[in-house]
Amino acid sequence: DGGITQSPKYLFRKEGQNVTLSCEQNLNHDAMYWYRQDPGQGLRLIYYSQIVNDFQKGDIAEGYSVSREKKESFPLTVTSAQKNPTAFYLCASSMEGYEQYFGPGTRLTVT
Amino acid sequence: KNQVEQSPQSLIILEGKNCTLQCNYTVSPFSNLRWYKQDTGRGPVSLTIMTFSENTKSNGRYTATLDADTKQSSLHITASQLSDSASYICVVSAGTASKLTFGTGTRLQVTL
Repeated sequence: DGGITQSPKYLFRKEGQNVTLSCEQNLNHDAMYWYRQDPGQGLRLIYYSQIVNDFQKGDIAEGYSVSREKKESFPLTVTSAQKNPTAFYLCASSMEGYEQYFGPGTRLTVT
Repeated sequence: KNQVEQSPQSLIILEGKNCTLQCNYTVSPFSNLRWYKQDTGRGPVSLTIMTFSENTKSNGRYTATLDADTKQSSLHITASQLSDSASYICVVSAGTASKLTFGTGTRLQVTL
């Protein structure tokens, strides 16, 4: 898992509630990413940030929001607008153009 | 549309045996191809990375091959161990770290 931490490991929420997933890295990487992993599917990019105070939508950004106020932190908020939020969420970081290092993941269950 | 297809979807082998996992891709432009190992409930960990000019890359008992002409890659695991039980994901980069296409993975189970 390198120097990337995600918390909590398991998260349970009621439908209609917003929830924020934490991602912190101490690798001094400029870029950070959020992915969603569902059974039988490849990882899908939600949002990414290449520099502080800037981020771009990935392939499935609807219903999610992010912020990048510090280089080390890239929290993801799953809003009530996300229709199928239950999934395994992975955060990653990299120097631009280099290998991505992944965190241990957060499994979110919404009932 | 960029795609990465892996086969088989799942595989069960006896400890000590060898196995080969396949990855076919249609990603353009091609920058590099990585194989990741993902233990259940954990994040993926990189095993190998290959660029266009590399045909083979080894990491211990893991050997990856790349045929850029046919757009195929394979991951060969030698003398499998119980700890090799995991999902193996093929990832192709189209130039930047934000342009990765992930395969759905091959779930490998090594048994006694």
